[in-house]
Amino acid sequence: EIVLAQSPGTLSLSPGDRATLSCRASQTLNDNFLTWYQQKPGQAPRLLIYGASSRATGVPDRFSGSGSGADFTLTISRLEPEDFAVYYCQHYDNSPPVYTFGQGTKVEIK
Amino acid sequence: QVQLVESGGSVVQPGGSLRLSCEASGFTFSSYGMHWVRQAPGKGLEWVAVIWYDGNAKYYADSVKGRFTISKDISKKTLYLQMDSLRAEDTAVYYCARDKRLRGVISMDYWGQGTLVTVSS
Repeated sequence: EIVLAQSPGTLSLSPGDRATLSCRASQTLNDNFLTWYQQKPGQAPRLLIYGASSRATGVPDRFSGSGSGADFTLTISRLEPEDFAVYYCQHYDNSPPVYTFGQGTKVEIK
Repeated sequence: QVQLVESGGSVVQPGGSLRLSCEASGFTFSSYGMHWVRQAPGKGLEWVAVIWYDGNAKYYADSVKGRFTISKDISKKTLYLQMDSLRAEDTAVYYCARDKRLRGVISMDYWGQGTLVTVSS
């Protein structure tokens, strides 16, 4: 069973800062199956990054995903007020199909 | 535009049953797999189940296997989750989400707004 560990649990930053969120897996992953979601309070999750590094439709280019193997990163180059939210990484394993989420990183206003 | 609207959440006693629905619009429902994902109060996301686009394959998280059943009615463009033998730990907001597969890349690209299930006596 793959476990995804996200760090830090909470990131306290100011608008305009750079945010770096980590997602580490318990074993090597297929990059195609690593996804990032954003969730704001009271809202459903929103797809941000798929295939480890591809931005979903409508996602601003200040969001970028990188990494391979067991280490992945979501970077927000300059935080906007609407970016303060919880971010989840997620992986798909196909034998058998199982979808695993990390525990989330909260990006809060400092 | 793609829309997913869940319904059916309510308060139910431990050991009881409930059926959730997710009505889809804005896309060809028969061409997409669908998921249920839940979120306990104040907690993170937990994948529950997936059904393949044609309904011929279904997979479940270990925590719900044998108690929950996912299904889809293509004619009604509706996804279902039959939940039996409910436990307090099943209390959560339940989201339906569309399975996106593009050139070997897999993700959940559209989500409903969620429906709350509370298991309590």
